[in-house]
Amino acid sequence: DAKTTQPPSMDCAEGRAANLPCNHSTISGNEYVYWYRQIHSQGPQYIIHGLKNNETNEMASLIITEDRKSSTLILPHATLRDTAVYYCIGHYNQGGKLIFGQGTELSVKP
Amino acid sequence: GAGVSQSPSNKVTEKGKDVELRCDPISGHTALYWYRQSLGQGLEFLIYFQGNSAPDKSGLPSDRFSAERTGGSVSTLTIQRTQQEDSAVYLCASSLGPVPGELFFGEGSRLTVL
Repeated sequence: DAKTTQPPSMDCAEGRAANLPCNHSTISGNEYVYWYRQIHSQGPQYIIHGLKNNETNEMASLIITEDRKSSTLILPHATLRDTAVYYCIGHYNQGGKLIFGQGTELSVKP
Repeated sequence: GAGVSQSPSNKVTEKGKDVELRCDPISGHTALYWYRQSLGQGLEFLIYFQGNSAPDKSGLPSDRFSAERTGGSVSTLTIQRTQQEDSAVYLCASSLGPVPGELFFGEGSRLTVL
């Protein structure tokens, strides 16, 4: 699975968009990009995943660059409840484990 | 149940004792994963089940750790002769099929070894 690199921490003002970057320069053509988040003292929660095209669901949008070397998770209107550690993971869509790195600790401030 | 259920939610034990942690995945989910998370650390993969077999046990830290899954459903993680470094939150997750897609995590079992 591709190694991913994320900034260790970010701040965002409540109500503004939170844009969380992820570099995955070694990603191969059939590896997906997954995003999960972990709110303090809870189990991780799936957010979104994608291969090439941009994806959107009720939680977030995922923008993948054309060369697939990086992506951005967008929370369009961050709330205090979005404060969490966000994990970007590269994974072939086959059986097996997801490897969680250190992630980005997002703090949404009033 | 509606989600992944883990028990006990908290376990305090003495060094050297054996402990069993239980995971009840979402009904119909064929894949089951165990992770652990030490205080302030990231998630560490332990073992992955597809059905009752475990094609990936690569994360089990020592032979004191073992896990089984029966009937394609409930899984038990056993830690023998517990050590203080085993203290962590043990998280279980399940997914509908072998492709991870959306993993559904339980709330975890917090293990404290005194």
